[in-house]
Amino acid sequence: EVQLVESGGGLVQPGGSLRLSCSASGFTFSSYAMHWVRQAPGKGLEYVSTVSSNGGSTYYADSVKGRFTISRDNSKNTLYLQMSSLRAEDTAVYYCVKGGVVVIACPIYWGQGTLVTVSS
Amino acid sequence: QSALTQPASVSGSPGQSITISCTGTSSDVGNYNLVSWYQQHPGKAPKLMIYEVSKRPSGVSNRFSASKSGNTASLTISGLQAEDEADYYCCSYAGTSTFRVFGTGTKVTVL
Repeated sequence: EVQLVESGGGLVQPGGSLRLSCSASGFTFSSYAMHWVRQAPGKGLEYVSTVSSNGGSTYYADSVKGRFTISRDNSKNTLYLQMSSLRAEDTAVYYCVKGGVVVIACPIYWGQGTLVTVSS
Repeated sequence: QSALTQPASVSGSPGQSITISCTGTSSDVGNYNLVSWYQQHPGKAPKLMIYEVSKRPSGVSNRFSASKSGNTASLTISGLQAEDEADYYCCSYAGTSTFRVFGTGTKVTVL
């Protein structure tokens, strides 16, 4: 059974930094692209970032480009999202999502999410 | 990176069929057969219902079907049931620049 467990969310001040982690199990982590998708309170889904299976290719939404960095450690079956220069509009539940073998396909299996609140 | 356009809400009575549209452009929905649909119940994570325009993952009811015509993808729920009441989102690959875009979301209400 696929399991994705996010951690690292919490309250951070504007301009601050936070690193999210996602521990994966139940599948061959190194074979699949992975994604981060967020959802602001009461709002819709917003694409954040994607990393290819070997970590060699990364993609970002314009809204986070230059501030967020996605990475993965296939030896630890863990996905990361390093967030810096955080803004109030980054407040959201951040979902770790398993992708397919093909990196351009839409996300497949979603974790339960971790809440990030940016506020002073 | 504009979101794909979906109706804010759609409703139907039990047993009826409803259709949710997802309108994009020739740079996303219209150019790639990489449209997915998700169901999200309140307080829960989204669940994949359809991938690659019209394919159903294992375990998803065959009451859910989908298609695409031009720049618009559509999700149809047949034999509407109370448990289908949820938010639904579409997603599409959008090329190497934008990469991915989600729909604005549709709230389905079972009357």
